[in-house]
Amino acid sequence: GQQLNQSPQSMFIQEGEDVSMNCTSSSIFNTWLWYKQDPGEGPVLLIALYKAGELTSNGRLTAQFGITRKDSFLNISASIPSDVGIYFCAYSGAGSYQLTFGKGTKLSVIP
Amino acid sequence: DAEITQSPRHKITETGRQVTLACHQTWNHNNMFWYRQDLGHGLRLIHYSYGVQDTNKGEVSDGYSVSRSNTEDLPLTLESAASSQTSVYFCASSEAGRWYEQYFGPGTRLTVT
Repeated sequence: GQQLNQSPQSMFIQEGEDVSMNCTSSSIFNTWLWYKQDPGEGPVLLIALYKAGELTSNGRLTAQFGITRKDSFLNISASIPSDVGIYFCAYSGAGSYQLTFGKGTKLSVIP
Repeated sequence: DAEITQSPRHKITETGRQVTLACHQTWNHNNMFWYRQDLGHGLRLIHYSYGVQDTNKGEVSDGYSVSRSNTEDLPLTLESAASSQTSVYFCASSEAGRWYEQYFGPGTRLTVT
């Protein structure tokens, strides 16, 4: 099956620091998505990417769809305590409404 | 406000019992999904539906079934609960036009003893 690797698995950072996480796959995808899950809740969509090389921002968050279409990264600038949670990348294959999720990056922010 | 709800939020059941988890959305979305979330595995797709009377198997469908008799509801049934099905279950929905934006419910924590 398709391999989707998300790293790092977990991160502990100081408030105010920048954060970077990424996902890589063994296959080419048409869409990369980034979701965030707050503790005790369901995931919420942060950013959707549709084209190779696309760079999209949402406030302090920036995500990019890799040129090879096999990877994506998410950056968070100037982290704050409410950034705590699990961040998931997800992809969709052509012609499918299904999403396949990475295993997540658990972010902890130390005040 | 439109929303997606799951019930119950917590359930403890015994091995071998049939269990049904409810999912209800008021957005009139065509697409509905069930996932399970386990430590170390992230979210894995169990079943999904693209509309009334349509159901499809996902990555981890063994031991689970769904039915879609109307747009709003997609109940998930565990035919004979097993300890390996102890997990947190999330229901999600999306509209056809913005299919990638899945709206998730709050989750159901199921424990099978």
